[in-house]
Amino acid sequence: SQKIEQNSEALNIQEGKTATLTCNYTNYSPAYLQWYRQDPGRGPVFLLLIRENEKEKRKERLKVTFDTTLKQSLFHITASQPADSATYLCALETGTASKLTFGTGTRLQVTL
Amino acid sequence: DVKVTQSSRYLVKRTGEKVFLECVQDMDHENMFWYRQDPGLGLRLIYFSYDVKMKEKGDIPEGYSVSREKKERFSLILESASTNQTSMYLCASTTGGLEETQYFGPGTRLLVL
Repeated sequence: SQKIEQNSEALNIQEGKTATLTCNYTNYSPAYLQWYRQDPGRGPVFLLLIRENEKEKRKERLKVTFDTTLKQSLFHITASQPADSATYLCALETGTASKLTFGTGTRLQVTL
Repeated sequence: DVKVTQSSRYLVKRTGEKVFLECVQDMDHENMFWYRQDPGLGLRLIYFSYDVKMKEKGDIPEGYSVSREKKERFSLILESASTNQTSMYLCASTTGGLEETQYFGPGTRLLVL
């Protein structure tokens, strides 16, 4: 089965800097990959989807890349703000429609 | 906006009790999912359903069952609660098809004593 690795240690960065989070997977390359944001005590919220034939996707201050050779996706938040502090989860499609496998998430802390 | 609601935010139960967690979505979604989330283990799929009265086991179905009698409602049942089922339970739904994103409820934090 697919194994997904996200850095379990929290990422601490200063406001205004770019945060970069990593999602690595071990087996087959998924047709698409998604990123979610989760605030404490709440359910995850969808942010971005990137397909295997797309190298990069952007949405406002967010950018996602997908490298099927490295089996890796990078999630960037530019000009980070304290409000960006949350846990970010990557999720891979499993070959069964709608079913996803989630990583354990990386907690981002943006300080003033 | 899609809305997924869960019957309780917090629940405290005793070992051996039968526990019902309810999830309702208001967007006529085909697919519904139940996950549990534990520190260091992430989101793990318990059961999912593609249609009314249909269910499929996820990665960790032991000790759980589900019911989907109506399209909008997906219930998770702990037949005999145990302390190792203390967790955050999250429900999600999607319309079905390819590249569907999942819409999550707020979660139920269950404590089994």
